[in-house]
Amino acid sequence: TQLLEQSPQFLSIQEGENLTVYCNSSSVFSSLQWYRQEPGEGPVLLVTVVTGGEVKKLKRLTFQFGDARKDSSLHITAAQPGDTGLYLCAVNNAGGTSYGKLTFGQGTILTVHP
Amino acid sequence: GAVVSQHPSRVICKSGTSVKIECRSLDFQATTMFWYRQFPKKSLMLMATSNEGSKATYEQGVEKDKFLINHASLTLSTLTVTSAHPEDSSFYICSATPLTGPRGLADTQYFGPGTRLTVL
Repeated sequence: TQLLEQSPQFLSIQEGENLTVYCNSSSVFSSLQWYRQEPGEGPVLLVTVVTGGEVKKLKRLTFQFGDARKDSSLHITAAQPGDTGLYLCAVNNAGGTSYGKLTFGQGTILTVHP
Repeated sequence: GAVVSQHPSRVICKSGTSVKIECRSLDFQATTMFWYRQFPKKSLMLMATSNEGSKATYEQGVEKDKFLINHASLTLSTLTVTSAHPEDSSFYICSATPLTGPRGLADTQYFGPGTRLTVL
């Protein structure tokens, strides 16, 4: 079983539409990160959420950490073709055996059509 | 700041040969470097954790004799894919965690741009 369940796995929408990506778990985390990755490149950190219920905004992107710190969501308003990419949630030190080790969700491939 | 490079960015090799991939932290020293493998349209899978001057810690199911990791300095880790076969073809990504700087939430990992390995 996956530690982090991300949904949907694939999302194909038209420019201007809104979308939400979910990252769920039965475990509690001290923090959670969201990354975006373009084809042929490494992931780039978008945000880290720490506090239960926290909401962070990055231009048209809104990130929320669940009150119980078990889940998170990424909402994009008025999506643009430049938002196309693989979106990944990740948690740190899952399993506790290796400090700094990241565990990623399965990822959501977003395609925004002009 | 906090730039991680990988070399080469792409490599094509024949089956049975060995390939070395370098991961460098350009403007910081890294206590720990991580190696990931990624298949097309899939997420990153951690292969191993590399600490300078000590043996790498491999994830379950990753063959240590197949994927040799050397972390010789605080700015360089190498991954050698030995006797490569077509099934080893993949996108390999490294990341590095700075030695100094504010600790905590998550000890931010900085990712390299990846290396595309194709084994013929």
